[in-house]
Amino acid sequence: KAGVTQTPRYLIKTRGQQVTLSCSPISGHRSVSWYQQTPGQGLQFLFEYFSETQRNKGNFPGRFSGRQFSNSRSEMNVSTLELGDSALYLCASSLRASGNSGELFFGEGSRLTVL
Amino acid sequence: AQKVTQAQTEISVVEKEDVTLDCVYETRDTTYYLFWYKQPPSGELVFLIRRNSFDEQNEISGRYSWNFQKSTSSFNFTITASQVVDSAVYFCALSEANSNSGYALNFGKGTSLLVTP
Repeated sequence: KAGVTQTPRYLIKTRGQQVTLSCSPISGHRSVSWYQQTPGQGLQFLFEYFSETQRNKGNFPGRFSGRQFSNSRSEMNVSTLELGDSALYLCASSLRASGNSGELFFGEGSRLTVL
Repeated sequence: AQKVTQAQTEISVVEKEDVTLDCVYETRDTTYYLFWYKQPPSGELVFLIRRNSFDEQNEISGRYSWNFQKSTSSFNFTITASQVVDSAVYFCALSEANSNSGYALNFGKGTSLLVTP
């Protein structure tokens, strides 16, 4: 079956702009998590959605937001982009909510460059 | 505080050598999960293994084996007879029941493994 699909794969933005990233989970998966990966900070948890509800949120400013739709697809948005937001944004889906700590299936990520 | 420490930033070995990737974790929870993921150049994280805190039995899967020791808070990963295709960045991760972020994964900084012919 198809894996986790993230779009766009690459994008370039300038400071102050906003960006929306999309994630389509594996069919049947209802949990979607987002992670930010940078060379300095490594992989950091952003948030998790399950059945359209945000269940958990990492330690990121309010400029980072997300949502999940009824078909489990998720989007994350970053407003007022800063240079430090340049990163690989990874989406992961899971069959169950994170409380069961099941296997997470990751997409290939969206690489954002902020100039 | 760093909850998962992967002290080895980069490791380079010659094909067919055995290599062990170290992972030390820190938690106050009695219930937690440990993971290893592989990240090839394509970017996606590939799940390798999950262990819960109540299962200290070591596991072997083909050329891969994992050594979980609660006494030393370590969850080390060994690749036997390494191959060029094993070249990737490997991440150890911890998931805790009682963190502010629920069961979100806390990743180590990763170990970049290069296997040369």
